[in-house]
Amino acid sequence: QKEVEQDPGPLSVPEGAIVSLNCTYSNSAFQYFMWYRQYSRKGPELLMYTYSSGNKEDGRFTAQVDKSSKYISLFIRDSQPSDSATYLCAMKRGGGNKLTFGTGTQLKVEL
Amino acid sequence: SAVISQKPSRDICQRGTSLTIQCQVDSQVTMMFWYRQQPGQSLTLIATANQGSEATYESGFVIDKFPISRPNLTFSTLTVSNMSPEDSSIYLCSVSRQRAGGHGTDTQYFGPGTRLTVL
Repeated sequence: QKEVEQDPGPLSVPEGAIVSLNCTYSNSAFQYFMWYRQYSRKGPELLMYTYSSGNKEDGRFTAQVDKSSKYISLFIRDSQPSDSATYLCAMKRGGGNKLTFGTGTQLKVEL
Repeated sequence: SAVISQKPSRDICQRGTSLTIQCQVDSQVTMMFWYRQQPGQSLTLIATANQGSEATYESGFVIDKFPISRPNLTFSTLTVSNMSPEDSSIYLCSVSRQRAGGHGTDTQYFGPGTRLTVL
């Protein structure tokens, strides 16, 4: 079993839709949770950073962490064609630098 | 964040040859990392590049295959040696930077990647 599981998609939604992207994990030692966005032929770009359980909002993006269920989500409101990218979840233990990534979900927002 | 550049951006190489990838950061950083991103797979950490000492390799990666240099706090190289088609991948460097705020707020920022194809 992989430490981090992420549905690879592809996920196709109409412009303006609410998008929900999810990851599950098995290692209860993970304390820091991140979402990266990766456009085609580019490096991953840090989108959201969350410590422990709870919600964090930044503009149209909301990151949600439920440590009891080992489940994290990224919600995108009013999705735009420019949101079309691969979204990678990542997590790490406290006191360490090593990131463990999901495989990424490919999102396409259509006009 | 950090401004990170990589050279080359892409290359096509013959089996059995070696390629050195360069990573340059706009300011000094303590931690630099090298990752591999294969189609349909997670980003996988190859090694942590330490300034002034040998790199620390993850399980499944060895120095003979992926020698790394870190001559100063803004630069690192990764060499992919004796390449085979299985080495075709995107290779990414990243740096660890402190974020403003409390607990363990360092996180990683990535370069644009080097797309390698081995024939």
